[in-house]
Order: sequence, then structure tokens, then C-alpha cells
Amino acid sequence: EEQLVESGGGLIQPGGSLRLSCVASGFTFNTYAMSWVRQAPGKGLQWVSTLSSSGSGGNTYYADSVKGRFTISRDDSKNTLFLQMSSLGADDTAIYYCARELTYYTFDYWGQGTLVTVSS
Amino acid sequence: DIQMTQSPSSLSASVGDRVTITCRAGQSISNYLNWYQQKPGKAPKLLIYAASGLLSGVPSRFSGSGSGTDFTLTISSLQPEDFATYFCQQRFTTPPTFGQGTKLEIK
Repeated sequence: EEQLVESGGGLIQPGGSLRLSCVASGFTFNTYAMSWVRQAPGKGLQWVSTLSSSGSGGNTYYADSVKGRFTISRDDSKNTLFLQMSSLGADDTAIYYCARELTYYTFDYWGQGTLVTVSS
Repeated sequence: DIQMTQSPSSLSASVGDRVTITCRAGQSISNYLNWYQQKPGKAPKLLIYAASGLLSGVPSRFSGSGSGTDFTLTISSLQPEDFATYFCQQRFTTPPTFGQGTKLEIK
């Protein structure tokens, strides 16, 4: 059974950094593009970043709102996706979901999410 | 960015009702449209891809249609487990964008 488990969220001060992790199981991780999607409390969904599979070039894509501050990466040997976040601001407060891409920007499996709260 | 607009924002209905949710794209997106269901405290769940493709395991009471700018999600006979929030999402261009959501509540 496909499963994604995020971790690394928490309370962080404005301007701080945080690294999220997402461990995958139940599927061949290295053949899939993976993404991060976030949801501010009580709000809608916002795509954050995508990393294609290594076999497809390992290309990265970012929302304008996080470009230059967030870095997506993966360790296929550990079936793990990462999101390194820096210069965090209140607008980054959200539940961050890791998601597998069935195909280009179609998210067929999601983790349970990890909450990031940026506050002093 | 392509703006996705859903209507209505909320909807009250009864078990057994037929319900339709509409999603409009700010420009033509062909059939690059997905639908998700989200229950409180849970992650979104993919229901429909490519405007009308039913994901394996999703009940056949769910259906999607549309192309270009106008799309619909229809639930033919509401079941208690269908009360949730539904989001459309375009994947025509980067960044992929979501509608604001339609909250389906029990009447």
C-alpha cells in the first residue's frame, strides 16, 4: 500500500529555517515525480514545488512565492523527499503535504501533512 | 497564473440528492483538470483526472465533465461519506492552481 509520511514541521520564528521530510513506501519511489502542496489554516490548496524523477532529469519547479527561499530535493536510496525552507514568514504558515504525481501535476497520493507555524 | 473559480462556495444537500459543482478556468485548459475531495483534518484525495477520468476505487456516483474553461463535478446520489470539501485543479501550465473549494454540507 502506498504511503507518504511527512515530518519536520513545528513552530519557527520569522526569518528562520526548517527542513521537512517525507518518507515514501509501497511504491517505486525513484520512478515518480514528487511535490509539496501547502494549505494555510482554513484556506485552500497551494502548490509549492515539484521535483521530477532522476530518470526524467531531476528537474525542479517552484511557486514564485517560495522561489529562492525553498529547495526541494530527494534521496532515492532512502525513499525520502525533502523541502528545505528558509527566510520563513507568516505567510508560510500552513500544513505542508507531500504528494506523489500520477502524471504531470496530478497528485494521486498524499501524506497526512506536517504543520509549519511561523510566529514570534 | 490561471485562476480557477468554483461555484458555489458552499452547498447544503441531503443524502440521495444529485449535486453538481462547477469550476471555471481563467483561460482554456483543454481537459487538464482534476478534482479532489478533502475531509476535515485529512489530506485531499484525487477523484477525477483529465476532467472525466474516474480514479480506480472511486465510486461510480462521481463523474466529471467539461473542456476548455468550464467543468463540472457531479455526484449522482449523495452518500453520508460524501460530505466534504471539493477542489478543482488545473495542470495545463506551471504553476498548477486550485479552485477555492466547495464545501458540501448536510441539509
